[in-house]
Amino acid sequence: RKEVEQDPGPFNVPEGATVAFNCTYSNSASQSFFWYRQDCRKEPKLLMSVYSSGNEDGRFTAQLNRASQYISLLIRDSKLSDSATYLCVVDSGGGADGLTFGKGTHLIIQP
Amino acid sequence: GAVVSQHPSWVICKSGTSVKIECRSLDFQATTMFWYRQFPKQSLMLMATSNEGSKATYEQGVEKDKFLINHASLTLSTLTVTSAHPEDSSFYICSARRGAREDTQYFGPGTRLTVL
Repeated sequence: RKEVEQDPGPFNVPEGATVAFNCTYSNSASQSFFWYRQDCRKEPKLLMSVYSSGNEDGRFTAQLNRASQYISLLIRDSKLSDSATYLCVVDSGGGADGLTFGKGTHLIIQP
Repeated sequence: GAVVSQHPSWVICKSGTSVKIECRSLDFQATTMFWYRQFPKQSLMLMATSNEGSKATYEQGVEKDKFLINHASLTLSTLTVTSAHPEDSSFYICSARRGAREDTQYFGPGTRLTVL
């Protein structure tokens, strides 16, 4: 079974703090990795792709460890608007289409 | 760019009726579209992959005769939930991919289906 595991949280974090999420995936054939953000009752929106070399986009840093099949997301200087559910997403691998979503980590930034 | 729309955004229907949901890529041609379903507090689950001009590929456990998918053009895919029952009530989201080599999927706003 192809699975993506995440800690569901919620993570309650004060504004301005740094917070990190992790996820693990079971399908070693997966080639593409993403973090999506989903607000309540809305569709998921792409936050960033995740590359083996690690990548940064403003306050967000993503890391991939293929050997351990582990992905991380770091948010620095958190804002109230960062409150959302963060979905770890991997492709199905092996040339198949579609994405496998984790259940998401719920983040609440408190003023 | 890369905007995907869905219609309707929500629908309430009686048990036994059929409901059609449209997914459109507004500013690009989508070679592949995907249909997902999300139950409350659950993750998105891929239902089927839809390629323009060919039959959809359904995930294990998804009944193809119940969830009819038609990808008639490069900008439109439809999902018809036939003979809907209350257990079909869910949030249905489509996504579209611009090209075979592009990994990113762009999501529609979703359709909330409630079957009474």
